[in-house]
Amino acid sequence: QQQVKQSPQSLIVQKGGISIINCAYENTAFDYFPWYQQFPGKGPALLIAIRPDVSEKKEGRFTISFNKSAKQFSLHIMDSQPGDSATYFCAASRGDDKIIFGKGTRLHILP
Amino acid sequence: DTAVSQTPKYLVTQMGNDKSIKCEQNLGHDTMYWYKQDSKKFLKIMFSYNNKELIINETVPNRFSPKSPDKAHLNLHINSLELGDSAVYFCASQWTGKSSPLHFGNGTRLTVT
Repeated sequence: QQQVKQSPQSLIVQKGGISIINCAYENTAFDYFPWYQQFPGKGPALLIAIRPDVSEKKEGRFTISFNKSAKQFSLHIMDSQPGDSATYFCAASRGDDKIIFGKGTRLHILP
Repeated sequence: DTAVSQTPKYLVTQMGNDKSIKCEQNLGHDTMYWYKQDSKKFLKIMFSYNNKELIINETVPNRFSPKSPDKAHLNLHINSLELGDSAVYFCASQWTGKSSPLHFGNGTRLTVT
């Protein structure tokens, strides 16, 4: 049973474009929604995270949009750059419980 | 200084062998994990230890045995390796509690031939 559904599996975006990755969750008790970025040969690293009491969080070119009623959240990468090419994972957790990861999105930014 | 370090980075071995992967974190975290990432990049939690005590064991075959000699170290021993064990294994650590990010090592790529 997958509690966090992520789409698309892969995404190709032109340099300078907007990359959008979507996630949906089932457990309304989740209270922490991080995004992790993984480059080839490296471990995932926290990129940005949000709590359900806000609808948007922005850090530089990266923005999380959160829709509590729809149980969805998304990552937007503005002005996408080739260096953003990586695999992105959305995740969710509740309190001290383990983090549940989505299946990942392989993002490729065309130069 | 590397926060979460794993050794070895690559491990190639034959079916039936026994192998170990070591992990150390210097962040002072109280919880450590092993994750398995398959060829499709799915991240699957295997084990979690909190202050040297096992708290999560996710339906992993008995051939996999984690050991935590202290809260800074979490090793993974695998007996009777099978082809399906080929994957990248990540160690991670965090502070127990809300909003604490996971810190991952750079992974150990295990290839079983």
